[in-house]
Amino acid sequence: RKEVEQDPGPFNVPEGATVAFNCTYSNSASQSFFWYRQDCRKEPKLLMSVYSSGNEDGRFTAQLNRASQYISLLIRDSKLSDSATYLCVVNGYQKVTFGTGTKLQVIP
Amino acid sequence: DGGITQSPKYLFRKEGQNVTLSCEQNLNHDAMYWYRQDPGQGLRLIYYSQIVNDFQKGDIAEGYSVSREKKESFPLTVTSAQKNPTAFYLCASSIDRGMLNTNEKLFFGSGTQLSVL
Repeated sequence: RKEVEQDPGPFNVPEGATVAFNCTYSNSASQSFFWYRQDCRKEPKLLMSVYSSGNEDGRFTAQLNRASQYISLLIRDSKLSDSATYLCVVNGYQKVTFGTGTKLQVIP
Repeated sequence: DGGITQSPKYLFRKEGQNVTLSCEQNLNHDAMYWYRQDPGQGLRLIYYSQIVNDFQKGDIAEGYSVSREKKESFPLTVTSAQKNPTAFYLCASSIDRGMLNTNEKLFFGSGTQLSVL
């Protein structure tokens, strides 16, 4: 089993739709979690950290489920500019593991 | 403005040639990293350095070498021993690698696309 697994997509959704991605991780000792956004051939950029209590930043909501070992990202009211690859990142002790990314394409 | 600068943006390597990718940061970060990204794959760690004059192999170090003579600089050499070097290379830094288990994040450079002629 991969340390961090994501559905590669692509997820093709119309503008204004709500879309959710999940990411599962295998190491129960993992300590911090992030979602990064990566545009084609660009560097990943931090979208948001993921906290146990769940957290929201505008149209984006991140959740952590430690019991089932997954994190999720919900995007409401999708914009064309949301089209990108979303990377799930899991930090353990001195180790960062990246998921392969989920590609989102928002269609007019 | 503080940040990480990678150069060049595009690099071509001939068969049997060594090439060096540059990474400079002015964030005063102790830890620096090199990742490789292939299409459809996550970022894989090549080398990392927690302090000047010290570096450690990551998950895919074979065919690569690094140096850390200055805190700001962490160049990566792709040697001729790396048989499949075509990839997108990302340099990153963090305040301290030991803090990555907290909410400390990675700062990335803009990447170098390396291709084989």
